[in-house]
Amino acid sequence: KAGVTQTPRYLIKTRGQQVTLSCSPISGHRSVSWYQQTPGQGLQFLFEYFSETQRNKGNFPGRFSGRQFSNSRSEMNVSTLELGDSALYLCASSFSGEGTEAFFGQGTRLTVV
Amino acid sequence: GENVGLHLPTLSVQEGDNSIINCAYSNSASDYFIWYKQESGKGPQFIIDIRSNMDKRQGQRVTVLLNKTVKHLSLQIAATQPGDSAVYFCAENVNQGGKLIFGQGTELSVKP
Repeated sequence: KAGVTQTPRYLIKTRGQQVTLSCSPISGHRSVSWYQQTPGQGLQFLFEYFSETQRNKGNFPGRFSGRQFSNSRSEMNVSTLELGDSALYLCASSFSGEGTEAFFGQGTRLTVV
Repeated sequence: GENVGLHLPTLSVQEGDNSIINCAYSNSASDYFIWYKQESGKGPQFIIDIRSNMDKRQGQRVTVLLNKTVKHLSLQIAATQPGDSAVYFCAENVNQGGKLIFGQGTELSVKP
């Protein structure tokens, strides 16, 4: 069974640009969560989608947004990129979210210059 | 921001010894906990989980202990191997869908 797939693996963007990251969950999983990982802040929850609806949201500005498609694949978008957005962005999928095993992808390494 | 605290940021052990990684969580309503292992350049890898109605769960070479009275989790790794070297995170699920709150991580270094 294929794991969680995130694309692209690496991205370099310029301040002010926007970026879209993609996550394909494990087959049958309906919950997709996104996390930002930085050395200073660790793993921070961005948002969770379940059945195409945002179910939870972390404490990030509105520049961070996401969506989920009917096949459970998810995308997150960051607009007006700032240097501080440089991070590893991780996606986790689980069958239903709450109280179920969550598996992570390899992440997308975003560098903003 | 939200955080689950870890007692030790780094842990160095000799190959073959047992390792114990600790984690303190802050929300008494948390009912599900996961330990992850993260190697350099990779995403977190699921190791073992435990629900709040249990106080111990064993896997292959790993055991997780949960003490709800003092809101403490630990991960025990038996016969630690060089391949166990990584950063270990605990995470809690607070009955809020799939949202996980992560600890800061402990770096485990295994000396041959």
